[in-house]
Amino acid sequence: GAGVSQSPSNKVTEKGKDVELRCDPISGHTALYWYRQSLGQGLEFLIYFQGNSAPDKSGLPSDRFSAERTGGSVSTLTIQRTQQEDSAVYLCASSRGYSTDEQFFGPGTRLTVL
Amino acid sequence: TQLLEQSPQFLSIQEGENLTVYCNSSSVFSSLQWYRQEPGEGPVLLVTVVTGGEVKKLKRLTFQFGDARKDSSLHITAAQPGDTGLYLCAGAPAGNNRKLIWGLGTSLAVNP
Repeated sequence: GAGVSQSPSNKVTEKGKDVELRCDPISGHTALYWYRQSLGQGLEFLIYFQGNSAPDKSGLPSDRFSAERTGGSVSTLTIQRTQQEDSAVYLCASSRGYSTDEQFFGPGTRLTVL
Repeated sequence: TQLLEQSPQFLSIQEGENLTVYCNSSSVFSSLQWYRQEPGEGPVLLVTVVTGGEVKKLKRLTFQFGDARKDSSLHITAAQPGDTGLYLCAGAPAGNNRKLIWGLGTSLAVNP
């Protein structure tokens, strides 16, 4: 069956440009998460959606980061005026419902800011 | 702030050796999940433990949840190169549903 998909798989951009990262969760999963992961490191929580609402945005590093989810499905993470420290792998995950259920991860988007 | 501390952070061993990874907290968790992540992929769930003192086995991997549900361990017997990866623990805080608390991970390299 279809898992979580993310696009693009790789994104190289210049400092100061805006980027959009997309996540398609597993059909029927109401919860969706965005994480950031630096090389070989653990997961840094960014934001959590339940349906189209984001009850927890506490992990967004700055106001340059925003995310939305539409139709209870696809989510987009936008980074404005990218900086070199934004370079990382951005992972998306979805789960059936409760925020502590098993999370199913996509393969990630590797973002490189030059 | 609830924290999950994983140790060791890095581990490099030879094929056939045994190892244990620890996940510790001062907080109580209603359940704890262990994930493995291979390069270029997202983490994949290995097991969920929910009862204090619970032991679960997955082939050569043995997972234990502490009696007080504050800590967990992952033991690998006779490690294989295919076990190489990043092992992450994630705890579900006791009480109201809240988001998972993630450890920073243990990077394991098993050399042939």
